[in-house]
Amino acid sequence: AIQLTQSPSSLSASVGDRVTITCRASQGISSALAWYQQKPGKVPNLLIYDASSLESGVPSRFSGSGSGTDFTLTISSLQPEDFATYYCQQFNSYPITFGGGTKVEIQ
Amino acid sequence: EVQLLESGGGLVQPGGSLRLSCAASGFTFSSYAMTWVRQAPGKGLEWVSYISDSGGLTYSADSVKGRFTISRDNSENTLYLQMNSLRAEDTAVYYCAKNYLRGRNFFDYWGQGTLVTVSS
Repeated sequence: AIQLTQSPSSLSASVGDRVTITCRASQGISSALAWYQQKPGKVPNLLIYDASSLESGVPSRFSGSGSGTDFTLTISSLQPEDFATYYCQQFNSYPITFGGGTKVEIQ
Repeated sequence: EVQLLESGGGLVQPGGSLRLSCAASGFTFSSYAMTWVRQAPGKGLEWVSYISDSGGLTYSADSVKGRFTISRDNSENTLYLQMNSLRAEDTAVYYCAKNYLRGRNFFDYWGQGTLVTVSS
């Protein structure tokens, strides 16, 4: 199974900060990566797919990049509603796998 | 509006069985693959099982293979997860999720989840 390693596992940031989260795959997955946001007590929400395509309705401050084994999710200017946990997911092959999550907290 | 409504969760003893259902509406259910994803309390997301749009192809995680069976009834717009030989480590919120498009196995809609607790 392809393992996804997210870093950091948590971070503290302030409103307006630029935030970058990394997801590394144990083997190449081309661009078959998605990012989700999950707020406490809520369901995951799709942000990015195909590594860099923004899902409809998602604010443009979210962006994704990368291919192969190394991927990043960037929030250009952190907003109060962005404090949440973020997960990457690979869909290159079964079993589908998720990263361990990155919790973004208020500094 | 796409809606996914899970049901069937609850408290079950180790070794017991449960069947989860996910009632879908707001889209052409028979045109989309569907997936179950679970999340143990305070933990991350874990993919459980996939079924193709027709129901003819399924995949399951090694952790549930041989114990859980995914199925669907396209005439009733309903997805199922039959869970047998349940273990404490199966305790989680179980989400049904709609796959984005054929061959695109990420998830654009999720249900609210149903909690399964395996405990004596």
